[in-house]
Amino acid sequence: SQQGEEDPQALSIQEGENATMNCSYKTSINNLQWYRQNSGRGLVHLILIRSNEREKHSGRLRVTLDTSKKSSSLLITASRAADTASYFCATGSRGSQGNLIFGKGTKLSVKP
Amino acid sequence: DTEVTQTPKHLVMGMTNKKSLKCEQHMGHRAMYWYKQKAKKPPELMFVYSYEKLSINESVPSRFSPECPNSSLLNLHLHALQPEDSALYLCASSQPGRTGELFFGEGSRLTVL
Repeated sequence: SQQGEEDPQALSIQEGENATMNCSYKTSINNLQWYRQNSGRGLVHLILIRSNEREKHSGRLRVTLDTSKKSSSLLITASRAADTASYFCATGSRGSQGNLIFGKGTKLSVKP
Repeated sequence: DTEVTQTPKHLVMGMTNKKSLKCEQHMGHRAMYWYKQKAKKPPELMFVYSYEKLSINESVPSRFSPECPNSSLLNLHLHALQPEDSALYLCASSQPGRTGELFFGEGSRLTVL
């Protein structure tokens, strides 16, 4: 079953612009994570935000979490062509034994 | 480079074949996962092993048979698959019991003819 819903489904921007992706989820969570996947490759963990945190930064990434709205956003600043990939949010629910449920993903294309 | 190694990278098999996908990690993680990913879709959880015991089976058909021989290895045995089982199969590992970061392999691309 799917927990998260990202929007937009696809996003195309120019190099240097910022990219914002949103994720909504349905149940109570322990944390929310963002992963990146280059075409046909494995997923790479980007950042984790806990349910008691509201904002987190890592390099050019900024993640926010609003548990009252059950939503999160991922901002990539000063995008580069190498950021072209699919981005998935993933949630770990309370008592879920450690497994993650992934959202549908946003396909980001950054044009040089 | 990923610290989770999956073999083979590509596999083509007929519907009557028996094959296996293999996954190995040496990070000391005691939870290992199989996910299935169809084109343009998110990964879907298939199985979770925690301390070498199967803890989650997400109603996966019996033609997929997981095996965890030890804390570093995870296999997925395939038998009598259907063309719709063609997908990218992803292995991941983590520390068990907490929904922390998953470390993924690069996947095995399976094509069933």
